[in-house]
Amino acid sequence: NAGVMQNPRHLVRRRGQEARLRCSPMKGHSHVYWYRQLPEEGLKFMVYLQKENIIDESGMPKERFSAEFPKEGPSILRIQQVVRGDSAAYFCASSSREGTSPLHFGNGTRLTVT
Amino acid sequence: GDSVTQMEGPVTLSEEAFLTINCTYTATGYPSLFWYVQYPGEGLQLLLKATKADDKGSNKGFEATYRKETTSFHLEKGSVQVSDSAVYFCALTDNVAAGNKLTFGGGTRVLVKP
Repeated sequence: NAGVMQNPRHLVRRRGQEARLRCSPMKGHSHVYWYRQLPEEGLKFMVYLQKENIIDESGMPKERFSAEFPKEGPSILRIQQVVRGDSAAYFCASSSREGTSPLHFGNGTRLTVT
Repeated sequence: GDSVTQMEGPVTLSEEAFLTINCTYTATGYPSLFWYVQYPGEGLQLLLKATKADDKGSNKGFEATYRKETTSFHLEKGSVQVSDSAVYFCALTDNVAAGNKLTFGGGTRVLVKP
């Protein structure tokens, strides 16, 4: 029973390039969350999606960042024209439904912008 | 808005010592409270949770009690092991907004020495 799968584990991009981070939720989970962890800090909520819908994007930066969770395939977090400040660990979590079902986290993608 | 405050680390202990990590929160309504643990290079794992006042969550020798009067959810373990070395995050979900969006504290790094 595979858990939440994120790839790549490590991603290096030069300033100005695009970064695409993928997340496959646990089997049977239709709710996906993205979090960002800056070095030595806690996790900050970015966006919450259900299949084909963005439910809450209150934590997403207004520019350059976008997320999707299509009907088929993984959820994608896309960062355009990356800057050094985007360097962080990005974690995806999934759950089976709303309410008190716990979030299951992936191992994260560590983005380094050079 | 919601917030979680936990004691800063690092916390360095000897094996078999008693561990306490303080956590206090601010939230509207009646949040659910969680402790997550992050081992090096990995994602977060749910350690324990409590969904209402006076509930005690427990797992792997760790305990935390939901104290509404003091808005606290302190984590304790009576006798730590080297394998407990990790970063511990206190978190809440407000049970109001859509989904299970978690608000995290800044994390406390724990190092247990043999």
